[in-house]
Amino acid sequence: KAGVTQTPRYLIKTRGQQVTLSCSPISGHRSVSWYQQTPGQGLQFLFEYFSETQRNKGNFPGRFSGRQFSNSRSEMNVSTLELGDSALYLCASSSRPGQGLKGNEKLFFGSGTQLSVL
Amino acid sequence: EDKVVQSPLSLVVHEGDTVTLNCSYEVTNFRSLLWYKQEKKAPTFLFMLTSSGIEKKSGRLSSILDKKELFSILNITATQTGDSAIYLCAVTDNAGNMLTFGGGTRLMVKP
Repeated sequence: KAGVTQTPRYLIKTRGQQVTLSCSPISGHRSVSWYQQTPGQGLQFLFEYFSETQRNKGNFPGRFSGRQFSNSRSEMNVSTLELGDSALYLCASSSRPGQGLKGNEKLFFGSGTQLSVL
Repeated sequence: EDKVVQSPLSLVVHEGDTVTLNCSYEVTNFRSLLWYKQEKKAPTFLFMLTSSGIEKKSGRLSSILDKKELFSILNITATQTGDSAIYLCAVTDNAGNMLTFGGGTRLMVKP
């Protein structure tokens, strides 16, 4: 079974640009979450999607957005990039069945996209 | 706001040593605590703990949760250089929609 796939692996952008990152979850997983990892802040939750709906959002500005497609693949977009957006962006999938229900909250992570903003 | 604190921040040991990594947490409506190992990029799942006092084991790794004192420990016995990594602790609440991570413990095992 293929794992979580993220593309691209590396990105270099300049301030003010926008970027789109892609994530393909493990086959059969319908929940996709995004996390930002920086040396100073550690891993921080961005948002989670289930069945094409955003179910939860972390404390990030509106420049960070995402979406999920009917095949569970997800994209996240960052507009008007700032230097502080340089980070490893990790996508994770799970088989969690539904919000608030007992389920498997174990997340499987991809290898991430390393974004550098110059 | 949920909070997870890991200690120590970093640790250097020699092969064969035993290490204990600590994770304390504050979370409203606690549901589970998870440990991950991050060697390069992708964190890989180690354990999920939901009940106090029940040790989970996988080879040389083991973990236990204390829900009264709000902490967990991860033990690694007979460490090997391949255990060098960042170990991450995370908690979920009853909504279960996100993980709140600690800052991690960076373990280096020297030959």
